[in-house]
Amino acid sequence: GENVEQHPSTLSVQEGDSAVIKCTYSDSASNYFPWYKQELGKGPQLIIDIRSNVGEKKDQRIAVTLNKTAKHFSLHITETQPEDSAVYFCAANNNNDMRFGAGTRLTVKP
Amino acid sequence: ETGVTQTPRHLVMGMTNKKSLKCEQHLGHNAMYWYKQSAKKPLELMFVYNFKEQTENNSVPSRFSPECPNSSHLFLHLHTLQPEDSALYLCASRLGEGNQPQHFGDGTRLSIL
Repeated sequence: GENVEQHPSTLSVQEGDSAVIKCTYSDSASNYFPWYKQELGKGPQLIIDIRSNVGEKKDQRIAVTLNKTAKHFSLHITETQPEDSAVYFCAANNNNDMRFGAGTRLTVKP
Repeated sequence: ETGVTQTPRHLVMGMTNKKSLKCEQHLGHNAMYWYKQSAKKPLELMFVYNFKEQTENNSVPSRFSPECPNSSHLFLHLHTLQPEDSALYLCASRLGEGNQPQHFGDGTRLSIL
């Protein structure tokens, strides 16, 4: 089955800096990669996703890149703000089988 | 507003109690999921329902019993739980099959005394 690894487990940046979270997956058949943000006391919320037929997708300060050959994908947050502080999860999906990374706790210091 | 509502938000119960967690979605989704989220561990998939039929039971102990009476509602019945079952239980739903995101509720924080 699919195995998703996520790094780093914790990340602390200064407000205004960029943050990058990386994930690798093992199943080459995986073709859909969502990213979730989980704030304290809330469930994970979808923030961006990418399908295997594209290499990059951007939505304002958030971007995701995908390298299918290397089987890794990354989340990039630019101009970070304190409200970006949360736990971020990557996931890899092959049809109905979605596997999640262990999460990255991002702290943005004002 | 996530579209997926879980109740109760918090639950404290003894090991001999019986309780149920409820999940409700009005997004028109046909697949529903139960996950267990423990500190510093990946999300653990417990059960999957597609069109009210259970399609996956991820080796979950029988003290957890799911029920899906229709595509909008999902329950998790709990009995004789153990302290290690204390965790955040998340419900999610998804439209159709293939490459669609799951939508999560805010979870039930369960504490076993």
